[in-house]
Amino acid sequence: SAVISQKPSRDICQRGTSLTIQCQVDSQVTMMFWYRQQPGQSLTLIATANQGSEATYESGFVIDKFPISRPNLTFSTLTVSNMSPEDSSIYLCSALDRGVDGYTFGSGTRLTVV
Amino acid sequence: KQEVTQIPAALSVPEGENLVLNCSFTDSAIYNLQWFRQDPGKGLTSLLLIQSSQREQTSGRLNASLDKSSGRSTLYIAASQPGDSATYLCAVGAAGNKLTFGGGTRVLVKP
Repeated sequence: SAVISQKPSRDICQRGTSLTIQCQVDSQVTMMFWYRQQPGQSLTLIATANQGSEATYESGFVIDKFPISRPNLTFSTLTVSNMSPEDSSIYLCSALDRGVDGYTFGSGTRLTVV
Repeated sequence: KQEVTQIPAALSVPEGENLVLNCSFTDSAIYNLQWFRQDPGKGLTSLLLIQSSQREQTSGRLNASLDKSSGRSTLYIAASQPGDSATYLCAVGAAGNKLTFGGGTRVLVKP
C-alpha cells in the first residue's frame, strides 16, 4: 500500500501566524484528504484535496482558514491560517489507494498554538 | 448522516486475554469498513479492511467481522499482548469516498 510522509511532525506556533503541513505519497493516488483530531476526540474530515482544482470542504471548514493545494497526484499541503489556541490539534493527511481500496494515513502533525 | 459508535470507550485486560471491540453504524449503505490502530500522538495504522460484500477479514491474531444488515462490526484480537495497547478506531467508507470515524476504544493490556 501507499506510504505517506508528513511533515512537520510537530510544531509550536504563535497565535495569528500560519503553518503549512506537507504530505508526500510514494505513489500516485486518486484522492487525498485532510483530517483534524482535537485532543481526546476522533477524526473529523476537513476537506478532500482535488488534483488541479479547488478542495472540497466539509461543513464548518472554510478555504480562507484551511487553504489546501494539490498540484499533482502525489503531493498535497494544508495551511492552518491565522491560528488561535483552538486550532491546537493533530492534523492528518490520508490517501485512498485504489490498488487495495483502503485508506493510508500520514504520521500526523501535532500543532500547539500559544 | 452516518454515525459510528464504538463501545466500550476504554478497555483494560490482562495479558493473554482475547479482546473484543465493537463498532456500530447507522446507515447500512456503506462501501467498506476499516479498522485502524493509533498510538498516542501518532498517525493511524491500517489493520483490516472489509469490503461491503465481505463478512470478515483475518490477519494474524486479528479478525474483523461485518454485518451490514445490523450495522455492526467486531474486531477480535486473540491472545492480547502489552504491545497491543493503543486506541482502535473503526471507520466506515461511503459515497464520495469519505470516511466516518467512531470515537475509538482505548485498550490497555496489562503484563
